[in-house]
Amino acid sequence: DAGVIQSPRHEVTEMGQEVTLRCKPISGHNSLFWYRQTMMRGLELLIYFNNNVPIDDSGMPEDRFSAKMPNASFSTLKIQPSEPRDSAVYFCASTLDSSYNSPLHFGNGTRLTVT
Amino acid sequence: SQKIEQNSEALNIQEGKTATLTCNYTNYSPAYLQWYRQDPGRGPVFLLLIRENEKEKRKERLKVTFDTTLKQSLFHITASQPADSATYLCALDRGAAGNKLTFGGGTRVLVKP
Repeated sequence: DAGVIQSPRHEVTEMGQEVTLRCKPISGHNSLFWYRQTMMRGLELLIYFNNNVPIDDSGMPEDRFSAKMPNASFSTLKIQPSEPRDSAVYFCASTLDSSYNSPLHFGNGTRLTVT
Repeated sequence: SQKIEQNSEALNIQEGKTATLTCNYTNYSPAYLQWYRQDPGRGPVFLLLIRENEKEKRKERLKVTFDTTLKQSLFHITASQPADSATYLCALDRGAAGNKLTFGGGTRVLVKP
C-alpha cells in the first residue's frame, strides 16, 4: 500500500502565478478530501469528492481555487492567480467510504509558498 | 459558533509518565470523535475513533474517553516514550451526511528521556 501520494512536496511561486497541486488517493478508496493547514487556522477542509463527484466545496476560500477529480486515481487543486495569503501546507486525504466512521488517510502534503 | 478547542500550549512530560490531552467542543453533536497524530513535515495519521455511545476506547498504550454531557474527550498516553513526541489532533464529524471532519488545533507533546 503506497499510501496517498501528493506532488510536489514543495512549491515556491510568485504572486499571480497559477499553481497546481496533485494527489493520488489510495487504490479502492472512493472519497477524497483536500485540506489546508496554517498556524493560524489549523487544518481546514476545502472540498471533498465521493466517487469522483464534488460533494461539498463550501470550504473553498474563493473562486481562485478549483479542484477536479477526473478519475478515481487522480485529483488536482488549482489556485489561479495565487496570492501570498495562500501560503500553507495543502493535504490530500482519502477514505474507503463516506460513512461516518471511516478514518482518513493523509498524504504528506505540499508546502506552498507564494512570494 | 462551532468550536473545537485543544490546549495550544505544548505538553512537556517525563518518559514513563502519562500524558493527558483534552479536546473540548461547543455547538456540535458529533456521532463520533477521532484522534490523529502528526509528526513535523508529515500528514496526520489516524490513531483511534470513539463513538458517542462509547465511554472509553483503548489501543495499546492509548486511551480515549468521550463525555457528550461535558462535550469533552480526553486522550491518554500511558508509559510515555520519547517516540510519542508529536502533535495530537482531535477531529469531530459535522453531524451531516458524509465523512466531513473538523479538526482541533492540536496539542504538541514532548516526552523527555
